[in-house]
Parts: sequence; C-alpha cells; structure tokens
Amino acid sequence: DIQMTQSPSFLSASVGDRVTINCKASQNINKYLNWYQQKLGEAPKRLIYNTNNLQTGIPSRFSGSGSGTDYTLTISSLQPEDFATYFCLQHNSFPYTFGAGTKLELK
Amino acid sequence: EVQLVESGGGLVQPGTSLKLSCVASGFTFSDYWMSWVRQTPGKTMEWIGDIKYDGSYTNYVSSLKNRFTISRDNAKSTLYLQMSNVRSEDTATYYCTRGTTEGFDYWGQGVMVTVSS
Repeated sequence: DIQMTQSPSFLSASVGDRVTINCKASQNINKYLNWYQQKLGEAPKRLIYNTNNLQTGIPSRFSGSGSGTDYTLTISSLQPEDFATYFCLQHNSFPYTFGAGTKLELK
Repeated sequence: EVQLVESGGGLVQPGTSLKLSCVASGFTFSDYWMSWVRQTPGKTMEWIGDIKYDGSYTNYVSSLKNRFTISRDNAKSTLYLQMSNVRSEDTATYYCTRGTTEGFDYWGQGVMVTVSS
C-alpha cells in the first residue's frame, strides 16, 4: 500500500498569511493527488484534483503543485473561512490512501 | 445539486452486523463508481472500497474485504455497506463518496457507527 505522510499535523497562522501543507507518498503516484478541506460536522470538500487542478467554485488562493512523491497545497492569503482541516488523497493505485490531515488554526 | 445522504448508523454490539445506506440525488447515480470511506475518532481516513457503476465489480481494502460488502441499487439510487462481525476498531464516521477519474468529488455528511458493549 502507498503510505501518505502529511505535514505539518498542526499549523497556526493568521489571516493574510501564506501557508503550505505537504504530502509525501511512499512511491510515485503520478500526480494522482487530491486535496480536501473538512470543517467540523460538514462533508469534506474537494479543493484540488490531480495535483494542480482547482475544483470549480474554489477560490484561486488555493493552489497545488508537485510530482512524483512530493506534493504541496498552498493557500496564498488565508481568509477566516479557511481555518479547517486539510487532507490529501492518492488515487493512483488501490487501496486509495489518505494523509493524516493538517489542522489549520488561527494564531 | 449533488447530494449524498448516509443513514443506518448508531450504537451496535461487537460481533453483530449493520447495514449502512447512502441515498444519492442530483446526478445520474448509475453513471458513477461509488466508494465508502471511514474516519476514525482520531481523524484517520481509510478508504473501504468501491463499486462499479453497474454493480458488477467491487474493490476493497484487504483488511476489510472479509467482513464488509458494498452493493448498490441503481433503481433506488442507493449505495449500501454491509458490515459483519463488527469490532471496536470499526467505530468511525462512514462517508459515501462519488468516484471519478479525478478521485472522489462529492462526499456525504457521514454517519456515525459506535461499536461497544
């Protein structure tokens, strides 16, 4: 199985900050990497698919990059509604596997 | 608007069975692969498995394939997860998700399952 190592687990930041979250796969996942946002009590929401494709309706301050085993989610200027948990998903091969999540908190 | 609504969760005793349902609306259910994903109380996400759009093929994570079964009824736009011989480690929130070539796009709100005596 492909292991996804996500970092950091917790991130404290302020409105307007630029933040990055990373996922490292245990093997090449060919850019089949998605990013999701999860707020308490809500369904997870897809932000980015296949590394760098912005989901329709998601603000352009969210972006993704990466290749091979290393992938990054960047939020260019944090807004109050962005404080949530973020996780990555590899869908290159079965079983699909997730990162452990990053909880983004207000500093 | 795509909606996925799970139901059937609750408190169950170890060793028993439980069947979760997910009713889909807002899209042609029979056109899509569907998956179940669970999230433990510690927030770890685990993909359970998926089912082909016509119900003819399923994939499972190896650790669960002997106890969990995914099925669907396209006439009712409903996805199912049959859980048998449940254990305390099956305590989680269970989500149904819609599958595409770009991974899961829509998720339900989830249903909680607690396994405890």
